[in-house]
Amino acid sequence: AQTVTQSQPEMSVQEAETVTLSCTYDTSESDYYLFWYKQPPSRQMILVIRQEAYKQQNATENRFSVNFQKAAKSFSLKISDSQLGDAAMYFCAYRRTSGTYKYIFGTGTRLKVLA
Amino acid sequence: DTAVSQTPKYLVTQMGNDKSIKCEQNLGHDTMYWYKQDSKKFLKIMFSYNNKELIINETVPNRFSPKSPDKAHLNLHINSLELGDSAVYFCASSQELGQPQHFGDGTRLSIL
Repeated sequence: AQTVTQSQPEMSVQEAETVTLSCTYDTSESDYYLFWYKQPPSRQMILVIRQEAYKQQNATENRFSVNFQKAAKSFSLKISDSQLGDAAMYFCAYRRTSGTYKYIFGTGTRLKVLA
Repeated sequence: DTAVSQTPKYLVTQMGNDKSIKCEQNLGHDTMYWYKQDSKKFLKIMFSYNNKELIINETVPNRFSPKSPDKAHLNLHINSLELGDSAVYFCASSQELGQPQHFGDGTRLSIL
């Protein structure tokens, strides 16, 4: 069975600094998708970034980028130039590309941004 | 306009009651989902519908019954509510099965 682990329950970062959130996963599949979702206090779940496992190039979206290490089954999220609005819960998620399409989420990391 | 809307946002009720949560999406998506987020923030899928057909049904008590009158709506009905049902329930939709999902704002259900 696939699992997703976020070992950092909480992280803090100074405004304008860079922070990295960790995510590891376990799967026997060779092809899959990985995602980072953001959940601000408003409770909305917002897709931040997506990575296809077959792509070696790390995905980037403005200030957000990932470090995808397929062999190590690691998928960390880097937030550059942190802003107060980045404060939220961040969830790492995994999905197979075939068979069941359900998402498997990690337990989340709460990010605090300090002014 | 809100893409995925859930009602109500808050629901407080007594144990044993029956309640429903409604979800509507105006994105033209084919697939809709229900997730449960417990007090530890763990997000777990409950159901998924694709074009009004049930395609994912996780190990969820029979007291939970999703209903999809059309592909823009997926409502969740819960019978005989129990204390353990207290959680935030999220509805989501995606263009097609397995694509990135757009989430609603969640419904906080509290059982007294």
